[in-house]
Amino acid sequence: KAGVTQTPRYLIKTRGQQVTLSCSPISGHRSVSWYQQTPGQGLQFLFEYFSETQRNKGNFPGRFSGRQFSNSRSEMNVSTLELGDSALYLCASSGLAGISYEQYFGPGTRLTVT
Amino acid sequence: EDQVTQSPEALRLQEGESSSLNCSYTVSGLRGLFWYRQDPGKGPEFLFTLYSAGEEKEKERLKATLTKKESFLHITAPKPEDSATYLCAVRGSIYNQGGKLIFGQGTELSVKP
Repeated sequence: KAGVTQTPRYLIKTRGQQVTLSCSPISGHRSVSWYQQTPGQGLQFLFEYFSETQRNKGNFPGRFSGRQFSNSRSEMNVSTLELGDSALYLCASSGLAGISYEQYFGPGTRLTVT
Repeated sequence: EDQVTQSPEALRLQEGESSSLNCSYTVSGLRGLFWYRQDPGKGPEFLFTLYSAGEEKEKERLKATLTKKESFLHITAPKPEDSATYLCAVRGSIYNQGGKLIFGQGTELSVKP
């Protein structure tokens, strides 16, 4: 079974630009979560989607948004990029939402903002 | 507020030298404690889920245990390929912060031959 895939793997953007990251979950998984990982803050939860609905949201500004499509693929968007947005963005999928379950992570997208 | 603290931050072992990693947590209504392994530049790899105090799970040289306040990841006779950052995460009640997954800062393990 193929794992979680994320595109692109690496991205360099300039301050003020916007960026869209994509995530394809494991086949059959309907829940997708997004995380930001930085050396200083570690792994921080951004949001969770299940069946195209946002189920939960972390403490990030409104510049961070996401969506999920009917095939469970998900995208996240960051507008008006800031230097502090440089990070590894990780997507994780699982079979269900709302109960305790394992999340399986993709390889991440390394975003560098200059 | 839910919190996860891992110790030590870094651990250096000689090959074959067994040790334990600690994950202390405070959470309302624990609905799962998770251990992940992360290699540099890669996404976390799922290792174990523990649900209740007293539960134990094993995989090769790794054994995870859970009490009401903490979890341990025991590494027996480690090999250099066990070198990685080990992450602990908890999920609380869905009525508490929506049951989101909260991660600790990780323990960076280095095993020298």
